Parts: sequence; structure tokens; C-alpha cells
Amino acid sequence: AQKITQTQPGMFVQEKEAVTLDCTYDTSDPSYGLFWYKQPSSGEMIFLIYQGSYDQQNATEGRYSLNFQKARKSANLVISASQLGDSAMYFCAMREAVFLIQGAQKLVFGQGTRLTINP
Amino acid sequence: NAGVTQTPKFQVLKTGQSMTLQCAQDMNHEYMSWYRQDPGMGLRLIHYSVGAGITDQGEVPNGYNVSRSTTEDFPLRLLSAAPSQTSVYFCASSWGTPGSALHFGNGTRLTVT
Repeated sequence: AQKITQTQPGMFVQEKEAVTLDCTYDTSDPSYGLFWYKQPSSGEMIFLIYQGSYDQQNATEGRYSLNFQKARKSANLVISASQLGDSAMYFCAMREAVFLIQGAQKLVFGQGTRLTINP
Repeated sequence: NAGVTQTPKFQVLKTGQSMTLQCAQDMNHEYMSWYRQDPGMGLRLIHYSVGAGITDQGEVPNGYNVSRSTTEDFPLRLLSAAPSQTSVYFCASSWGTPGSALHFGNGTRLTVT
């Protein structure tokens, strides 16, 4: 079974510093996708970034980048120049392989990391 | 741009009652799904659908029922509510292509007493 592990329950970072949120995954399938979502205190889920298992380059979206190390099965989220508005819960998720058969975007989520940005 | 709309936002049920959580999307997405979020456990998949008339179970389907008669709507039915179903429920939809992100509704907070 596919599994996502986020080992940092909480992180505290000073404003303007860079922060790395850890995510490791476990799968035996060669084709998979990795997602990061942000959940502010208001509760909505906001998509941040995606990395496919066959993508040659690490994904980037503005201040977000994904440090994808396939051999180590890790997909860490890097936020550059953190802002107060980055304080939120962050979830790493992996798309299950059934996508190839059904087109089903079944995601398995980690437990999340609560990031707090201090002024 | 409505996106994914969930109703109601809050609901309190007594044990044994039934109810339906509504979910509608206006993006013509083929794929729709329901997740529940419990403290310290991330999101877990309840049921999903890859198109009208096609549904399947996720990780935690017991006590829930779904159907999908149209592309737009994907209601979640609680058959006989139990306190263990107290949770926040999210509906999500996406295209069925590799890099497509799930678009989430704003969630329904359900309390079963």
C-alpha cells in the first residue's frame, strides 16, 4: 500500500527565512504523482505544487519548489522568503497508481505539518 | 467562478439520523471524490467517481453511500450517523489527467451526538 510520511508535526520559522517541509513516500509503482496542499486556519485546501515521478526537473511555482529525490523517496517542499501568510497546515499527498487504469485522482495524504511564521 | 460548492457548512446530527452532504462542481470535471479529515490523521478517501454512473470505494467507505447521476453533482449520504463520523468532510474534483490538482470545496463540519 502507498504511504506518505510527514515527520514534522510543527515548525516555527522567522519571517523571510526559507523553510523546508519534509515528506517521504513509499510505493512500488513506477508511475506516481506527488502534491502539496496548504490549509490555512480558515480550513480550505489550496493546491501548491505537483511533481510527476517521470519529471526530470524539480517543480517550481513562485516561492514554492519541490526538492524531489527519487532514490530516497522524498519530496520536500521548500518555501523561499517566508511570509506571515504562509502560516498554515501543509499536506503532502501521493496519487495512487489506479489513475492509469481509471483516471482516478485518488490521493493518499500525510498527517500534515503545521508551519508557524514568526514576525 | 463557483468551483466546488459544498452544503451545508455545519451540521449537527443525533446518533442514528441520516443526512446527505451535497457537492456540486461547475468545471465539468470527470473525477469527484469525498474525503474526511480528522485531527492528526490527514485526509482519508471515502468514495470516488470517475464519471456519471461510476463510483467506487476509498479507504474508509463504511457508513457512507454515494451516487453520481450527473457530471456536476456527487452527494454523500450518511445512512445512520454515529459519533465516529464526527469529522470535517471535503468534496474534491479534478480532470482525469496526470498533473491535474484536486479542487476542494470549503468543507462541511459534521458533529454527531
